[in-house]
Amino acid sequence: AQSVTQPDIHITVSEGASLELRCNYSYGATPYLFWYVQSPGQGLQLLLKYFSGDTLVQGIKGFEAEFKRSQSSFNLRKPSVHWSDAAEYFCAVGAGYSNYQLIWGAGTKLIIKP
Amino acid sequence: DGGITQSPKYLFRKEGQNVTLSCEQNLNHDAMYWYRQDPGQGLRLIYYSQIVNDFQKGDIAEGYSVSREKKESFPLTVTSAQKNPTAFYLCAARLTSGRPDTQYFGPGTRLTVL
Repeated sequence: AQSVTQPDIHITVSEGASLELRCNYSYGATPYLFWYVQSPGQGLQLLLKYFSGDTLVQGIKGFEAEFKRSQSSFNLRKPSVHWSDAAEYFCAVGAGYSNYQLIWGAGTKLIIKP
Repeated sequence: DGGITQSPKYLFRKEGQNVTLSCEQNLNHDAMYWYRQDPGQGLRLIYYSQIVNDFQKGDIAEGYSVSREKKESFPLTVTSAQKNPTAFYLCAARLTSGRPDTQYFGPGTRLTVL
């Protein structure tokens, strides 16, 4: 069955420190991969996506993610976090041409220490 | 200003009442989606529609109903049959390009059953 796993429910990092949020997926075909961010009480905003090509993808707000097929992973990174990055982050997999649904991870809540 | 609007932002309902959540988009996107979000969980798909006058059940459609009479509008009715309707509801839209392209989200409606 198709699935997306975000192993960390919460992550706490100090402001200015680097960040890596993990995402692993289970999907038989070529995945379409997304990272979204959600501030409290708000909708979701797309950070970046991977469809094909360069496996290192740049997104908004200084985020990047790397697709590693051998590890079935699409981890999100940022070299230096800001207090405004505190939010919940969701990884999602697009399930093929004929199925227009996204499969969602449970999310990782990022807490920033001053 | 293009985007997706959801109204109201907060909604309170007495048990046994039906309530309708509004979702409007001016992106000219073909597909629209309704998700439910509960604390600590990812997004769960309620219903989706790929074209006007057509919609399909998602993973948790019981107790909900939708209509898609216009491309711009995809209202969700939470019926009295929904046993635990208190949640955050998110509407999304996507341009159907033949692959799982980006879903764009509205700001959400928080429904509380009193």
